[in-house]
Amino acid sequence: EAQVTQNPRYLITVTGKKLTVTCSQNMNHEYMSWYRQDPGLGLRQIYYSMNVEVTDKGDVPEGYKVSRKEKRNFPLILESPSPNQTSLYFCASSSPGLLSYNEQFFGPGTRLTVL
Amino acid sequence: KNEVEQSPQNLTAQEGEFITINCSYSVGISALHWLQQHPGGGIVSLFMLSSGKKKHGRLIATINIQEKHSSLHITASHPRDSAVYICAVSPQSNTGKLIFGQGTTLQVKP
Repeated sequence: EAQVTQNPRYLITVTGKKLTVTCSQNMNHEYMSWYRQDPGLGLRQIYYSMNVEVTDKGDVPEGYKVSRKEKRNFPLILESPSPNQTSLYFCASSSPGLLSYNEQFFGPGTRLTVL
Repeated sequence: KNEVEQSPQNLTAQEGEFITINCSYSVGISALHWLQQHPGGGIVSLFMLSSGKKKHGRLIATINIQEKHSSLHITASHPRDSAVYICAVSPQSNTGKLIFGQGTTLQVKP
């Protein structure tokens, strides 16, 4: 089954304790992206990757890191989490089409609470 | 002003009603997406379109590129259609980036 998986699905942590949210896709997609979703602000892009070893900042990259060592994995790293990073996080993947990138497949989401 | 605006923000309908959600955008695009998010659930792609009209079951999406406007219609609405509907656009830069609208929360009452 074609899917994007994220782990963990729920996480409560404390300020300053480094954490990693994993994202993996089995569709051989070149493009992967991380978003956060906050009430009243909608979905905002954190980082994206157009292929292995190619990553770039989205709209709200501060406080986050990513890596793309393999095509299927795109982990999101919070080196020193703060309460303002409490949010719902989505990973997504896509492949390039003729005129545009194709539809994005979203992971199930990770609800992060930073105390 | 947001680059992608949706209206209405909230919508309550009775089961069976015809529903329309609108999306206007201000940037050049290569495609427009309609996404659905159920309460507590993930996000699924309903449509991706760059011109004309697409239909899937009771859902219809249209786009007018000249007017920079798209609509999502739901015919014979059902309580299971209750969800947040999100419009997103792929800018012409074609980097894979999506610009999202704020979403429309739809509740369909039985």
